[in-house]
Amino acid sequence: QQQVKQSPQSLIVQKGGISIINCAYENTAFDYFPWYQQFPGKGPALLIAIRPDVSEKKEGRFTISFNKSAKQFSLHIMDSQPGDSATYFCAASLIRETSGSRLTFGEGTQLTVNP
Amino acid sequence: DSGVTQTPKHLITATGQRVTLRCSPRSGDLSVYWYQQSLDQGLQFLIQYYNGEERAKGNILERFSAQQFPDLHSELNLSSLELGDSALYFCASSTRDRGGNTIYFGEGSWLTVV
Repeated sequence: QQQVKQSPQSLIVQKGGISIINCAYENTAFDYFPWYQQFPGKGPALLIAIRPDVSEKKEGRFTISFNKSAKQFSLHIMDSQPGDSATYFCAASLIRETSGSRLTFGEGTQLTVNP
Repeated sequence: DSGVTQTPKHLITATGQRVTLRCSPRSGDLSVYWYQQSLDQGLQFLIQYYNGEERAKGNILERFSAQQFPDLHSELNLSSLELGDSALYFCASSTRDRGGNTIYFGEGSWLTVV
């Protein structure tokens, strides 16, 4: 019930292309879905996040698409650049008042953008 | 730079030993989280503290313990270390104790158990 499944495990795209990473979750109580970007030797950093009351959120070249009925969400990176090469993690958590918070992460996708 | 500081950055120790990882959260953040990242388990939530009190517990082994001090820094204690404990341990912090707010990660402490 707490798992988040992420695919693909690795992705290679050409500069200027679109990178798409998909995630599926099981727990319908999840109500916060962030994406994190991690460069080698660094900790994960929040990229963009969405709540289930909207189907899409866009910030610059990054867009989250959310399908509540299918329990799936995806990250689209438009005009992918070599500097986007990193590992991307989807995550899910619960927004609760007093029981704390934890991020349940997907397995990660290693994105390589070729120049 | 996320503002979360972790020490040490690298640590090599022998099986059966005990180590302490230290974390200073971002200025003003009251919540501290510990995560473990390994190749086989991915990023796993261990434990969360908020303003000195344990708030949420994840897949943390009984050999591991953590605490958050009055100055809000936190320590993760790992004892009776096994080879399988080799991993990257992240500390993270946020302003509030509930979900939906941005969680900032440090650069991690690499632990190698030999």
